[in-house]
Amino acid sequence: EADIYQTPRYLVIGTGKKITLECSQTMGHDKMYWYQQDPGMELHLIHYSYGVNSTEKGDLSSESTVSRIRTEHFPLTLESARPSHTSQYLCASSERAWGETQYFGPGTRLLVL
Amino acid sequence: AQSVAQPEDQVNVAEGNPLTVKCTYSVSGNPYLFWYVQYPNRGLQFLLKYITGDNLVKGSYGFEAEFNKSQTSFHLKKPSALVSDSALYFCAVRDNIDSWGKLQFGAGTQVVVTP
Repeated sequence: EADIYQTPRYLVIGTGKKITLECSQTMGHDKMYWYQQDPGMELHLIHYSYGVNSTEKGDLSSESTVSRIRTEHFPLTLESARPSHTSQYLCASSERAWGETQYFGPGTRLLVL
Repeated sequence: AQSVAQPEDQVNVAEGNPLTVKCTYSVSGNPYLFWYVQYPNRGLQFLLKYITGDNLVKGSYGFEAEFNKSQTSFHLKKPSALVSDSALYFCAVRDNIDSWGKLQFGAGTQVVVTP
């Protein structure tokens, strides 16, 4: 198992609430990623980061935002949750190297009512 | 542009029989290829990867994959499947000319191993 952690694992929240999904890794990896995945479906990259103070949007448009103030921490925030945000969110990290492997956290399953 | 295809939504196999999960890819340069497995309500676990060298790559839990450049394929194989291999399998590719390193994932193949 990779040393990458996500909290909470499950979250049920009402529409309009602000939420932050936490992701931390202890491997010292420069690169971090957020993916969105509906159950049993493919992964969509929504945000990524090269390193501290670097954030980019991914392939799938998302209303979420991210920050990278510390190497080990890459939180994702939804300012106003909506039912369309219901999904699983997976965080991953990798070294800055050619052919590097991405290691995934256990995921956060979000349900917005 | 890079892309990856997993042509089978589901593969059914009896325990003890060989398991094959298919993957084909398209890249502009040379491919970096990966296989991951996902169990219910979990993140993805890395199984194996091909970067360069020997076309046959051995990975975790008895899995292996063969890189075939002429057929642009990277099929995952296991000689004797276990019930515990039942899971969702993802193939992913990265183009080696992509300096950033973004992975393109396939849609996934559900493997069902019956006792």
